[in-house]
Amino acid sequence: AQKVTQAQTEISVVEKEDVTLDCVYETRDTTYYLFWYKQPPSGELVFLIRRNSFDEQNEISGRYSWNFQKSTSSFNFTITASQVVDSAVYFCALSEAGDKIIFGKGTRLHILP
Amino acid sequence: ETGVTQTPRHLVMGMTNKKSLKCEQHLGHNAMYWYKQSAKKPLELMFVYSLEERVENNSVPSRFSPECPNSSHLFLHLHTLQPEDSALYLCASSQGGGFGEKLFFGSGTQLSVL
Repeated sequence: AQKVTQAQTEISVVEKEDVTLDCVYETRDTTYYLFWYKQPPSGELVFLIRRNSFDEQNEISGRYSWNFQKSTSSFNFTITASQVVDSAVYFCALSEAGDKIIFGKGTRLHILP
Repeated sequence: ETGVTQTPRHLVMGMTNKKSLKCEQHLGHNAMYWYKQSAKKPLELMFVYSLEERVENNSVPSRFSPECPNSSHLFLHLHTLQPEDSALYLCASSQGGGFGEKLFFGSGTQLSVL
């Protein structure tokens, strides 16, 4: 079973629309970290956010916001007023104690002008 | 200069060739990683080095051989590869090698094996 599920393989939205990328994770640990990374066409994955399992506060950074809900094991990512530069593949990841970081398969986001 | 630099950006090699991928990090980190990214598959961790010692090898075939001469440099030596080894190979670094570390990635080497 996948530990990190990104059910949306590909999403297309028109510029200025809001878009939410879903991430569902699976773990038995009480201590873990969740991440989001962005992979633009240039190839390198860029770190966006890290949350630990004890901090369920939602976070906002500019047009980006993250909704962490332990009750549903989800860590969703919303881009408000999307821009063409947001077009990329976005990866959600889980890091458990004593284990390697596990990435989801990614969601390819197309922002259409 | 970017934090993690990988060379070459693109590589085409035959199945009998020997080549090496290079990674250099300028962030003062202590851990370095090789990942393989194939189409429609999750990123696969290949090797982890922490303080220049290999701490993880995820059952990678011996035709891939890593080398970490110091904390700033990481190599992946390739020999007698198979076409299914064609992929984007990403290098990453982190401050420490423990769990929960933020990873900083290079732009990758796009490898094609003919």
